[in-house]
Amino acid sequence: QITLKESGPTLVKPTQTLTLTCTFSGFSLSTSEVGVGWIRQPPGKALEWLAVIYWNDEKRYSPSVKSRLTITKDTSKNQVVLTLTNMDPVDTATYYCAHKGLRSLYEHWGQGTLVTVSS
Amino acid sequence: DIQMTQSPSTLSASVGDRVTITCRASQSISSWLAWYQQKPGKAPNLLIYKASSLESGVPSRFSGSGSGTEFTLTISSLQPDDFATYYCQQYNNYWTFGQGTKVEIK
Repeated sequence: QITLKESGPTLVKPTQTLTLTCTFSGFSLSTSEVGVGWIRQPPGKALEWLAVIYWNDEKRYSPSVKSRLTITKDTSKNQVVLTLTNMDPVDTATYYCAHKGLRSLYEHWGQGTLVTVSS
Repeated sequence: DIQMTQSPSTLSASVGDRVTITCRASQSISSWLAWYQQKPGKAPNLLIYKASSLESGVPSRFSGSGSGTEFTLTISSLQPDDFATYYCQQYNNYWTFGQGTKVEIK
């Protein structure tokens, strides 16, 4: 059974750096074609894909936030970490991590964590 | 970037109605199109992949069609559990979601 869970701060101040951790089980990030991605959703708004990291440590970022994002993995700990610099109130959102399987689809999602950006 | 545009943004319907949601891509994505259902406070749930393939466990009243730039999601007979927001997603070139269609009770 594949599970993922996001953790990190619920409140950050403008200009600060957000660090979120996705801890997963039920699959290995060393398996070919597997990846973990991050998607966010501002309150009442649509989903926005942010980044993905693959089994071979390749990384891809959304062009809209690429300059502010970093994604890393710790295969031994079954964790993926997302950092987003220079946070702004518009970054207030629920942040989800999700498992990317062989079909290139996000088949399994975490429960999401709401991050509010406010001074 | 590939942009995805859904219509309508909101749809009011009754139990038993046939419901159709449209999704248009800004460029051809072949059949690399998925549909997700999301309920308030929950993560999205995959319904359809490769434009028309039903994900395991998803009721057969859900169906998808289309290719290239135009796609549809159809619910043949709307059930109480189907009132939710639906998102299309292209995965031809990374991933982009549509803006969502909220299906609400008429």
